[in-house]
Amino acid sequence: DQQVKQNSPSLSVQEGRISILNCDYTNSMFDYFLWYKKYPAEGPTFLISISSIKDKNEDGRFTVFLNKSAKHLSLHIVPSQPGDSAVYFCAATNSNSGYALNFGKGTSLLVTP
Amino acid sequence: DSGVTQTPKHLITATGQRVTLRCSPRSGDLSVYWYQQSLDQGLQFLIQYYNGEERAKGNILERFSAQQFPDLHSELNLSSLELGDSALYFCASSPHHANTGELFFGEGSRLTVL
Repeated sequence: DQQVKQNSPSLSVQEGRISILNCDYTNSMFDYFLWYKKYPAEGPTFLISISSIKDKNEDGRFTVFLNKSAKHLSLHIVPSQPGDSAVYFCAATNSNSGYALNFGKGTSLLVTP
Repeated sequence: DSGVTQTPKHLITATGQRVTLRCSPRSGDLSVYWYQQSLDQGLQFLIQYYNGEERAKGNILERFSAQQFPDLHSELNLSSLELGDSALYFCASSPHHANTGELFFGEGSRLTVL
């Protein structure tokens, strides 16, 4: 049962434009959401997170938006750079679960020059 | 470098065999998590240990088991291997005081079952 869904397997964006990666979840008990970035042959690395008490969190070029009523979050990357090309995983957790993360299947982002 | 070390990086074995994957967490991290990433799948949570004790369990098969030792390293044991067990197995760790849910991942152990 996939509780975190990333419905777009891939996304291609031109350098300098905005990349928007989407994620939906089904479990209303999730109270913390994270985005991870993964390059080939490496483990996922933490990118940005958001608590369920907020609806936006910004860190440099990366902004995550949370819409709890829609059970939807999105990651915006502005401006996109070729080095952002990677697989992005959305993850969600409930703080009572010991922070075991539930991951989506990932979206492969390609930023072209 | 996340500070999480996994060995071996690659492993090829036959069906029916048993393997052990090893993970050393970041210095000071008490929690260890194991994840499985099969082809075209996201990371599936298997199991979590905190300071030597099992803390949470996910979709871990009965053929799989894990433990965390007093020095905090962890091992994931996979037995009676099947072709479908071929996957990338990730270990992650986190500090016990973390309330952010951020996990630090190793580079993974790629298991191929022939």
